[in-house]
Amino acid sequence: GQNIDQPTEMTATEGAIVQINCTYQTSGFNGLFWYQQHAGEAPTFLSYNVLDGLEEKGRFSSFLSRSKGYSYLLLKELQMKDSASYLCAVSGGYNKLIFGAGTRLAVHP
Amino acid sequence: ETGVTQSPTHLIKTRGQQVTLRCSSQSGHNTVSWYQQALGQGPQFIFQYYREEENGRGNFPPRFSGLQFPNYSSELNVNALELDDSALYLCASSWGPGDQPQHFGDGTRLSIL
Repeated sequence: GQNIDQPTEMTATEGAIVQINCTYQTSGFNGLFWYQQHAGEAPTFLSYNVLDGLEEKGRFSSFLSRSKGYSYLLLKELQMKDSASYLCAVSGGYNKLIFGAGTRLAVHP
Repeated sequence: ETGVTQSPTHLIKTRGQQVTLRCSSQSGHNTVSWYQQALGQGPQFIFQYYREEENGRGNFPPRFSGLQFPNYSSELNVNALELDDSALYLCASSWGPGDQPQHFGDGTRLSIL
């Protein structure tokens, strides 16, 4: 079966660091994507991991452990505009993405 | 802005009707994927089109069908609409069917009465 788990909601303070975890069990794995989705808007691409380790891109970093079926998205120096849903998605091959339900992050002043 | 445009933005239909949703892919992208996103959930893969051929399908019944045109734009058709079809329908384009970042449109919000 296909299963991707993320926390439903998280809250954090402006300027802080937050880590959003994702665990997955899928029949195929070609890579893991993170997307950001503001309410009423399209998902936007944040990161892609195919090898184990940390990928850093500005304030956002993403980590992958294929042996553990685990990834996290790390957001540093949080800003109010980072309040959004964060979607973890596994590619089972040919770019067919299997999405988790998403984590709603609320950033407070 | 991703360059992927979808129309219409909102649509209201009744049970049993048919609907066609449209998507223009980003310039240079030859692959289009369609997703259904229920409220509070992540997108669910419907199917993908690459060079005008269906290139994979998720767990959706045959009344969900699609097309891709020579300019790589795409349509999603849904027949015999059911109440559970109420959702946001997202189109995403990418350069090739491999593991490339997908660029999403803003979606079509479909409501079934």
